Amino acid sequence: DAGVIQSPRHEVTEMGQEVTLRCKPISGHDYLFWYRQTMMRGLELLIYFNNNVPIDDSGMPEDRFSAKMPNASFSTLKIQPSEPRDSAVYFCACGTGINDEQFFGPGTRLTVL
Amino acid sequence: GNSVTQMEGPVTLSEEAFLTINCTYTATGYPSLFWYVQYPGEGLQLLLKATKADDKGSNKGFEATYRKETTSFHLEKGSVQVSDSAVYFCALSDRNQGGKLIFGQGTELSVKP
Repeated sequence: DAGVIQSPRHEVTEMGQEVTLRCKPISGHDYLFWYRQTMMRGLELLIYFNNNVPIDDSGMPEDRFSAKMPNASFSTLKIQPSEPRDSAVYFCACGTGINDEQFFGPGTRLTVL
Repeated sequence: GNSVTQMEGPVTLSEEAFLTINCTYTATGYPSLFWYVQYPGEGLQLLLKATKADDKGSNKGFEATYRKETTSFHLEKGSVQVSDSAVYFCALSDRNQGGKLIFGQGTELSVKP
């Protein structure tokens, strides 16, 4: 298995632009998580899905952020419009249980100018 | 609410030195406890875990014991190597609180030859 795949690995964009981050989880893992990592705030859970259904989105910072999981093998995190304070590394992770091991992707480093 | 507190880094050690990274937690229930490691430019990987009081998790020479009486899960290794240089995250998952992983702020370890 290739593990969790995220794309792009790096994204540089200008304030106000739409950004879409993509994730392909490990096959058979029913839980999918989106995290954001910054120096100031550490690692924050944004949202997680179970069987493609969003379960908890209380960590999504504001309406500019949205996430979807149209099928078991694909999820997106969209920021529209993007702002400089959204600059961070965004990780996708997956697992077979809510409090079992999570497998992380390599992350997408987002820079909003 | 639940929380995890780790000792602040960076921690700088010489090769073959003894390592301790302190972690304490606050939880309303009986959480599972984890240590994750993040190598430069990568996502987090599970290092070890413990699911109940007095359990000892171990992997790659690292150990941590779930101490309910002191609400601690300190990470130890008897002899560190340069390749252990990374950021280490303590985390908990409490089924009574939805089971989401709650991470500490991370502790950077740098091992010098």
